Amino acid sequence: QSVLTQPPSASGTPGQRVTISCSGSSSNIGTNIVNWYQQLPETAPKLLIYSDNQRPSGVPDRFSGSKSGTSASLAISGLQSEDEADYYCATWDDSLNGVVFGGGTKLTVL
Amino acid sequence: EVQLVQSGAEVKKAGESLKISCKGSGYSFTSYWIAWVRQMPGKGLEWMGVIYPGDSDTRYSPSFQGQVTISGDKSISTAYLQWSSLKASDSAMYYCARPKTGIRYGMDVWGQGTTVTVSS
Repeated sequence: QSVLTQPPSASGTPGQRVTISCSGSSSNIGTNIVNWYQQLPETAPKLLIYSDNQRPSGVPDRFSGSKSGTSASLAISGLQSEDEADYYCATWDDSLNGVVFGGGTKLTVL
Repeated sequence: EVQLVQSGAEVKKAGESLKISCKGSGYSFTSYWIAWVRQMPGKGLEWMGVIYPGDSDTRYSPSFQGQVTISGDKSISTAYLQWSSLKASDSAMYYCARPKTGIRYGMDVWGQGTTVTVSS
């Protein structure tokens, strides 16, 4: 059981916009920055969004992050087949004194 | 190029010890934390703990405290993850990763992963 709650799956057709939610609590998302990772099949995770809504160099602006209260969201617009991957939210938890991940969301591009 | 290169796949028996490594290059190894992340087969990511190679300050997730040891050798820019007595449930992919700045921040550099297989 993960500290952060994500839907196990999401899907969309090419060109669509999809959002993935991440729900936490006051000890984690409520007081700390949220990061998002993309993990393509059989590869190491890649930092997709950091500090709630910042994109690392090289990440397309189709990807965006937001946060409100104890929840965060990742939005992907103009969905492409290469976006098919697992997506994880993560943040620091002040009670556990460590990084916590969401359970991951498997995105399928139909 | 900034990179983390991990040691190769391991196949061990339950009860054996193991130490896997993560070598950093292309940046000041002593100035950034190194984290270890576990991914069991078909499962999600789990943060195990971190080390600051500059002074060997080490923190563990409560779930992994006492189960593994994280260490480092700054003279060769390498961090380690070790087990004294492996269990079949330790079979997983293990990644090292570097947080961008402080310990709470996103991890922007990842190793390629080390697969550990433990037979019972």
